[in-house]
Amino acid sequence: NAGVTQTPKFRILKIGQSMTLQCTQDMNHNYMYWYRQDPGMGLKLIYYSVGAGITDKGEVPNGYNVSRSTTEDFPLRLELAAPSQTSVYFCASSYWAGGSSYEQYFGPGTRLTVT
Amino acid sequence: AQTVTQSQPEMSVQEAETVTLSCTYDTSESDYYLFWYKQPPSRQMILVIRQEAYKQQNATENRFSVNFQKAAKSFSLKISDSQLGDAAMYFCAYRSASNYGGSQGNLIFGKGTKLSVKP
Repeated sequence: NAGVTQTPKFRILKIGQSMTLQCTQDMNHNYMYWYRQDPGMGLKLIYYSVGAGITDKGEVPNGYNVSRSTTEDFPLRLELAAPSQTSVYFCASSYWAGGSSYEQYFGPGTRLTVT
Repeated sequence: AQTVTQSQPEMSVQEAETVTLSCTYDTSESDYYLFWYKQPPSRQMILVIRQEAYKQQNATENRFSVNFQKAAKSFSLKISDSQLGDAAMYFCAYRSASNYGGSQGNLIFGKGTKLSVKP
């Protein structure tokens, strides 16, 4: 298993540009998450998904969009990039069933700089 | 809303010695999970240890152990026999055991503690 993979690893965007951060997991996890980590801070939840076709906002969703057309993929779209979106982005997945919760597995992160 | 506080931005320990990282949290829930994650310079988030709130026994994973005080809402991490490879950012995180009401298993993180290990 590759686990959770993210592409790209690094990206520099100009203000106003758009891009999609890709996230794929091969563990058949139903739950997937996008977090951002600003310098000197912990991770904050942007969006999450509890299954294909179902997404919802987290703590800091403004400026982002997501979709979940398959169990494996959970892309994060940045529209009209702003300097405030300079951050490290982590995708994570976990399995949840029957009231039991399981560990979240994280991808390696994408470092995004908006200038 | 739940919050997680790590009051030590930086800590330092001599190789082979023991260090304790502090974490407090605030919640009105009775059932939840607590975690310690390690983030080395590679940025990869690595799960170190987890604790279920309903378990009174403190979790242990090799050189890592926790002191879970539910009434005090405290969850400290003890690293014994510190090694150079333990140098990293350590994050304390909380997760509700419920998947209702907006809590969908997402983690709530503290700001982290940067641990340095001196040879």
